[in-house]
Amino acid sequence: GAVVSQHPSRVICKSGTSVKIECRSLDFQATTMFWYRQFPKQSLMLMATSNEGSKATYEQGVEKDKFLINHASLTLSTLTVTSAHPEDSSFYICSARDAGNKGRDEQYFGPGTRLTVT
Amino acid sequence: DAKTTQPTSMDCAEGRAANLPCNHSTISGNEYVYWYRQIHSQGPQYIIHGLKNNETNEMASLIITEDRKSSTLILPHATLRDTAVYYCIVRVGGSSNTGKLIFGQGTTLQVKP
Repeated sequence: GAVVSQHPSRVICKSGTSVKIECRSLDFQATTMFWYRQFPKQSLMLMATSNEGSKATYEQGVEKDKFLINHASLTLSTLTVTSAHPEDSSFYICSARDAGNKGRDEQYFGPGTRLTVT
Repeated sequence: DAKTTQPTSMDCAEGRAANLPCNHSTISGNEYVYWYRQIHSQGPQYIIHGLKNNETNEMASLIITEDRKSSTLILPHATLRDTAVYYCIVRVGGSSNTGKLIFGQGTTLQVKP
């Protein structure tokens, strides 16, 4: 099946710094990628939709200036958490929608990135 | 997209069939039923989806009631590796599909030896 990777898998950063998380579709092109956040013992919460070559669409309540999303190519989207604070510590997961697989249209999820802000 | 209701948790004996129910009484005619699962500390994994007909693949079967207000995911021979949180999601399909998946709380399935 299709593979989506995330880098890094774990990151620890100090409060006030910025962290960039990469999401790559390895064997297919993804015009649309999604970013989710998951706190312990909770479900996934959709943060934003990342569209190749255009601005991301953010869900209500998600600060676009804090969570910067760039989708510069059909295989790469990045999420930058700016001026991170301890409350931003979470599991960040991306998913990619296969542009050439309209028949099935399932999304493929990355393995997630565990962010800890100290 | 329609909301779904799932039991919080279920147990299943290893080797037996696991039947996971989902209620989606407000589902619209153009909404599909999707099932994903998430094993601890991993990204969700696609299992199966359907519109109104029953579906089967190598992982599971999806049974959708005739009125489409509920469905059941069946894992025919559950193994310990099937222990996970299972999410039932309904969303619009076809050309008007935004692709967004809205996750509820899901069902935690514990497969026991």
